[in-house]
Amino acid sequence: NAGVTQTPKFQVLKTGQSMTLQCAQDMNHNSMYWYRQDPGMGLRLIYYSASEGTTDKGEVPNGYNVSRLNKREFSLRLESAAPSQTSVYFCASSEQGLWGNTIYFGEGSWLTVV
Amino acid sequence: KQEVTQIPAALSVPEGENLVLNCSFTDSAIYNLQWFRQDPGKGLTSLLLIQSSQREQTSGRLNASLDKSSGRSTLYIAASQPGDSATYLCAVRPEDSNYQLIWGAGTKLIIKP
Repeated sequence: NAGVTQTPKFQVLKTGQSMTLQCAQDMNHNSMYWYRQDPGMGLRLIYYSASEGTTDKGEVPNGYNVSRLNKREFSLRLESAAPSQTSVYFCASSEQGLWGNTIYFGEGSWLTVV
Repeated sequence: KQEVTQIPAALSVPEGENLVLNCSFTDSAIYNLQWFRQDPGKGLTSLLLIQSSQREQTSGRLNASLDKSSGRSTLYIAASQPGDSATYLCAVRPEDSNYQLIWGAGTKLIIKP
């Protein structure tokens, strides 16, 4: 079972470049999430999509955009990358929000902005 | 603002020991609390979820407790094994959000053979 798949796994960008992180889940989940993880800090929610067709800001949305392409796919776009966006990015999904539902994570995307 | 703290940041113990990992949170208005495991270069895996009305949950050698009023949770690992080496994170879901988790920074656990 693939679960949550995100690509690419590693990426190096120059300041000002743009890129899109792709995420897909095969569990027929309604809700999807993008987090970032920085050293010494907990995960922080960037954006989430409660269901197909909706997206909402999380704690740290500045500098990012998202698209819920269909029920399976949720992409994260950096329009003009900055060194402060160097981080590990995780996509996750859950059946319907977090009402006691397990949340499933992808394996992460390591992004370095130089 | 809810804050979640995990102390210590790292812990190294010999194989076979029983151990306790700690998680504290500042606001008791939580819906549930989860413990996750993160292996290097991998995603996070949910280990245990405790609803706010529960006191503990058990899965195999793992037992998680929750004292909502004091803002504390512990993850007890019995008879530790080298395969338990990982980073353990706790996260709380605030009562007022169905989509937000507030995370601790994690405890990196090393079990020495």
